[in-house]
Amino acid sequence: DAMVIQNPRYQVTQFGKPVTLSCSQTLNHNVMYWYQQKSSQAPKLLFHYYDKDFNNEADTPDNFQSRRPNTSFCFLDIRSPGLGDAAMYLCATSLSGQFTDTQYFGPGTRLTVL
Amino acid sequence: AQSVAQPEDQVNVAEGNPLTVKCTYSVSGNPYLFWYVQYPNRGLQFLLKYITGDNLVKGSYGFEAEFNKSQTSFHLKKPSALVSDSALYFCAVRDVLSGGSYIPTFGRGTSLIVHP
Repeated sequence: DAMVIQNPRYQVTQFGKPVTLSCSQTLNHNVMYWYQQKSSQAPKLLFHYYDKDFNNEADTPDNFQSRRPNTSFCFLDIRSPGLGDAAMYLCATSLSGQFTDTQYFGPGTRLTVL
Repeated sequence: AQSVAQPEDQVNVAEGNPLTVKCTYSVSGNPYLFWYVQYPNRGLQFLLKYITGDNLVKGSYGFEAEFNKSQTSFHLKKPSALVSDSALYFCAVRDVLSGGSYIPTFGRGTSLIVHP
């Protein structure tokens, strides 16, 4: 089945130690998104790619970076994780930039910062 | 500008009873509306969406939602709740406005608890 895959599902890191979360998709969608979700709150968009074009949300900290080397893969890099960065990180895709598009979410990576 | 409100943090219902999870929206143009469900430690799963046409939209797992333009609402409903429906539900909106963004705005979520 076509899907959005996130690895790892659970990640533990130390304060200040860089960490990379990965997302892959077999849907061949053009748009990929990274969301941060804390404590059953609404997902908060960090950034998204429309194909190779990177779009950063204005309030996303510089500590968060992303790479999309090809259509299928997208990475979230947290350069120096703080305790406040502990959260569920969700990757999502959509076919294109159409308003009717459905977003398809991966299972998420739960990040713990010690 | 687009926004969505889910006025209830939690909804409790007995198994077998009908359930409603409320969502109201605010847009400048026309709304495209979505419902997603999230089970513990999982990503969001798409349930249904309203784009145009029939105001009553049917989706996955027996859920449906009614678009009401005059009340700017898109409430999620199910005739008979199951314990397995217990989860977090998110409403989302896109404002179909010329020059607008395709990025949706999510509500804060409503926790549905279905009691046996």
